[in-house]
Amino acid sequence: GAGVSQSPRYKVAKRGQDVALRCDPISGHVSLFWYQQALGQGPEFLTYFQNEAQLDKSGLPSDRFFAERPEGSVSTLKIQRTQQEDSAVYLCASSLGGRLVKFGEQYFGPGTRLTVT
Amino acid sequence: GNSVTQMEGPVTLSEEAFLTINCTYTATGYPSLFWYVQYPGEGLQLLLKATKADDKGSNKGFEATYRKETTSFHLEKGSVQVSDSAVYFCALSDSNYQLIWGAGTKLIIKP
Repeated sequence: GAGVSQSPRYKVAKRGQDVALRCDPISGHVSLFWYQQALGQGPEFLTYFQNEAQLDKSGLPSDRFFAERPEGSVSTLKIQRTQQEDSAVYLCASSLGGRLVKFGEQYFGPGTRLTVT
Repeated sequence: GNSVTQMEGPVTLSEEAFLTINCTYTATGYPSLFWYVQYPGEGLQLLLKATKADDKGSNKGFEATYRKETTSFHLEKGSVQVSDSAVYFCALSDSNYQLIWGAGTKLIIKP
């Protein structure tokens, strides 16, 4: 069956460029999450949507990072004026409900590897 | 704040060996605990979970027991296979949705 998909899988950007990363969650999943994973580290939470509402953006590292999910399905993570420290894998996950434990697991996409040169 | 510490890798074992990957946590309240696995070229997948003290999560021959007294959730498997080679992440959640992750442990199984 269809899982979470992300595009592009790889992105190389020159410092100062803007990038947009797309996430297609599993159909019908209410919750959507974005994580940043540096090399050799575990994922770090960026932001969380329940349907179209962004309920938590406390993990976004700066105001250069912006995420949206306007129709409660596809989400886009935008990074403006990219910096070298933004180089990482960006993971998207979705889950059926709004409560992690009650509805089980988050389903992860393969990630987008962003390299800023 | 909440945190997860897991043993550094890589862990290299021969096929059919016994596996333990240690995971300890620091958290307020009563977190839920998870092990996720990332096979080469694939996304993270939930391997097993435990939601309260003394619960044992199990899947695909892997087990982990939620030990509140030692704040641990060690992953074990009695006989590993080459196909178990992957990166394993321990994680906790003490809220509705946020996961706090360990750094991951790369497991290499040699035939």
